[in-house]
Amino acid sequence: AQSVTQLDSQVPVFEEAPVELRCNYSSSVSVYLFWYVQYPNQGLQLLLKYLSGSTLVKGINGFEAEFNKSQTSFHLRKPSVHISDTAEYFCAVRSLLGGYQKVTFGTGTKLQVIP
Amino acid sequence: NAGVMQNPRHLVRRRGQEARLRCSPMKGHSHVYWYRQLPEEGLKFMVYLQKENIIDESGMPKERFSAEFPKEGPSILRIQQVVRGDSAAYFCASSPLSQGVTNEKLFFGSGTQLSVL
Repeated sequence: AQSVTQLDSQVPVFEEAPVELRCNYSSSVSVYLFWYVQYPNQGLQLLLKYLSGSTLVKGINGFEAEFNKSQTSFHLRKPSVHISDTAEYFCAVRSLLGGYQKVTFGTGTKLQVIP
Repeated sequence: NAGVMQNPRHLVRRRGQEARLRCSPMKGHSHVYWYRQLPEEGLKFMVYLQKENIIDESGMPKERFSAEFPKEGPSILRIQQVVRGDSAAYFCASSPLSQGVTNEKLFFGSGTQLSVL
């Protein structure tokens, strides 16, 4: 079994301030980790992914995330947010379970950037 | 190459009616996932299908819900006798991956917002 926890349902932050969106996961097997962004009335877009190699991964729009195996975390960060970053962000884990790839999403974190 | 297409974007049904949601995966993709997004609950996995096969339906409610992905045509998520609690956004995602081969990306559609009156 696998699960994803996003403890913060909403995160308000002022424009140009840094932000961190937290994600913790649990899984009995090796995982791949993802962050997706959902803008209002749209589907999900991939922000970044961790498959292997360097634990610090960079994605689109200036976001980055760090995989920490010992803490089973994959927190998303951005040093300076823009109004356009206002959206909902989903952390996801993907692993091989029962012979196929299974994806589990967190409950999402709504990022509200305040002018 | 068109992305994952879902239709309709918005679907309004009265209680007791049937809802049919369609998902056309990206060209060349033979794996389809359906997710339901309820307010404050994030995305919940419903079902994973390959062409003509249901691989994992562990997230599907036991009654009224069914899904198919025929050899030809889109994947269909069907909800019979809808109730108000079925109101949600339903997202479809597709992937080209084959069993045992790692693929790192799901491609999502824009979703169907189902409203049950």
